[in-house]
Amino acid sequence: ILNVEQSPQSLHVQEGDSTNFTCSFPSSNFYALHWYRWETAKSPEALFVMTLNGDEKKKGRISATLNTKEGYSYLYIKGSQPEDSATYLCAFASFNRDDKIIFGKGTRLHILP
Amino acid sequence: DTAVSQTPKYLVTQMGNDKSIKCEQNLGHDTMYWYKQDSKKFLKIMFSYNNKELIINETVPNRFSPKSPDKAHLNLHINSLELGDSAVYFCASSQRGSPNTQYFGPGTRLTVL
Repeated sequence: ILNVEQSPQSLHVQEGDSTNFTCSFPSSNFYALHWYRWETAKSPEALFVMTLNGDEKKKGRISATLNTKEGYSYLYIKGSQPEDSATYLCAFASFNRDDKIIFGKGTRLHILP
Repeated sequence: DTAVSQTPKYLVTQMGNDKSIKCEQNLGHDTMYWYKQDSKKFLKIMFSYNNKELIINETVPNRFSPKSPDKAHLNLHINSLELGDSAVYFCASSQRGSPNTQYFGPGTRLTVL
């Protein structure tokens, strides 16, 4: 059974502060690691996909890193803004015929004004 | 231009009824999925089709039957609806062979009374 764990489950951050959270995934048969942003009452939207050990991706104030050997990825948000409030999902894809990606349960981020 | 669309957006029905949710994607993807957002707000995969062929079928009651008339459509038919079927159902699509980034529809909120 493939498990994708995210921590913390929920996070409250003061506006302007920086924050980060973790996704842990199996380190064998790695193919890709995805991060999605999911706002309340909307649908998940892709943020990043990373495929190589050591990959770093950045979009504005949000960035992500990948360590496939130890099986973790960090998502960083610099200078949090109210619009960053959302659930951040990571999803792991392995070399597998059925193309299933396994979603973590998400980190729910609340930005406090 | 909506990439992944679902109809209806809201569906309220009585227990025991049969209902369908439709999904269409105009991204030219060859793989489509149905997810259920459970009571704890987690995303759980139900089915996946690649080029009209069923490739993922998670442990889902056989009252749920997906139908893919072509690779741009994946409909979900639910027989004998039960109270526990109330949830938000998300359709998604992706292109096999890529890192498999999934593009989600807006969701269908099903309420069974």
